[in-house]
Amino acid sequence: SQQGEEDPQALSIQEGENATMNCSYKTSINNLQWYRQNSGRGLVHLILIRSNEREKHSGRLRVTLDTSKKSSSLLITASRAADTASYFCATKGNQFYFGTGTSLTVIP
Amino acid sequence: SAVISQKPSRDICQRGTSLTIQCQVDSQVTMMFWYRQQPGQSLTLIATANQGSEATYESGFVIDKFPISRPNLTFSTLTVSNMSPEDSSIYLCSVAEQESKGYTFGSGTRLTVV
Repeated sequence: SQQGEEDPQALSIQEGENATMNCSYKTSINNLQWYRQNSGRGLVHLILIRSNEREKHSGRLRVTLDTSKKSSSLLITASRAADTASYFCATKGNQFYFGTGTSLTVIP
Repeated sequence: SAVISQKPSRDICQRGTSLTIQCQVDSQVTMMFWYRQQPGQSLTLIATANQGSEATYESGFVIDKFPISRPNLTFSTLTVSNMSPEDSSIYLCSVAEQESKGYTFGSGTRLTVV
């Protein structure tokens, strides 16, 4: 499969803690994107990092990309209960593939 | 970013029947994408719909089962035909605008086939 693999599959943390999710992929990419999905609803685009970028920030989100290892990580700092959702990475190369997702639960 | 109105949001259907899902975009877009998300799984691309031409289907998906219409640059429909319980999934439409904005998704249609 060309999909990204994400780990962990599920993550449960206390409110205020940081959450880190990882994504590994197999093919060359133009960019990598992270999305959030609440309760089986539509996906919301969070952040995009290009293949020539190594790190990107957006609010409480920090994304890193290591093209030599074909991996990316999403860090959510100071998590809130409202961050509870599934998070997917998606790689854009010749095609667009979604990863397997991480289910994050933030306990108030 | 574009705003997509997708309906119905959910439906429960009898096996053997068909359901048509609609997506309306508030701006003109060249390509629209249809995805399936089976329970607990990631998203799988069904097809890409271009206005004025037949949709391009991914491996494992065929036009007879998932006919798609794209009558103009703001609207598309996906029909799930002759449904079976295995078709129970969330179906999502999506558009891509500028690369930096990623993809915008409809709110999804949760389909249960009984």
